[in-house]
Amino acid sequence: KAGVTQTPRYLIKTRGQQVTLSCSPISGHRSVSWYQQTPGQGLQFLFEYFSETQRNKGNFPGRFSGRQFSNSRSEMNVSTLELGDSALYLCASSPRGQGGVGELFFGEGSRLTVL
Amino acid sequence: AQRVTQPEKLLSVFKGAPVELKCNYSYSGSPELFWYVQYSRQRLQLLLRHISRESIKGFTADLNKGETSFHLKKPFAQEEDSAMYYCALSSNTGKLIFGQGTTLQVKP
Repeated sequence: KAGVTQTPRYLIKTRGQQVTLSCSPISGHRSVSWYQQTPGQGLQFLFEYFSETQRNKGNFPGRFSGRQFSNSRSEMNVSTLELGDSALYLCASSPRGQGGVGELFFGEGSRLTVL
Repeated sequence: AQRVTQPEKLLSVFKGAPVELKCNYSYSGSPELFWYVQYSRQRLQLLLRHISRESIKGFTADLNKGETSFHLKKPFAQEEDSAMYYCALSSNTGKLIFGQGTTLQVKP
């Protein structure tokens, strides 16, 4: 099975722009989670989708949004970018449905640099 | 509140020495706990989970509900164990909560 695939792998944006990141989960996985990874804050939970519904949301401002499509692929969007949004954005999928996500399978991440 | 705490940012040991990476959690209910590892230039991956009670790459972790801990241990560290280790807790609401991570540095 192919692993979790994230695109783009690297991108550079300027303050005020917006960005969309894409994630293709492992085939058959219906849960997709997004995390922000920074040296100072570690892994911060953004949101989790299951069957096109957002089940959980972390403590991020409304500039961060996401969605999931019927084929389980997911996108996240960050609008009005700030310097502090520079980070590695990780997507992860899980085969589990109800009762928590259990084990997560991670992608390689999309490294966003905001100038 | 659901929380995972890894008190050490960096743990440095010599090859062959025992290793213990600490993890404490706060969770009301029966937790599902994991250790994830991120080697240099590789993706984050599962190392082990408490429900399987297995040993992976010589590492073990025991859930201590009384002390709310899930420490990761290895009797003899190897240089290839150098990596970032994250303790994580799976809530029943579909969220995996990570600790801040501990960098393990194994010196030759």
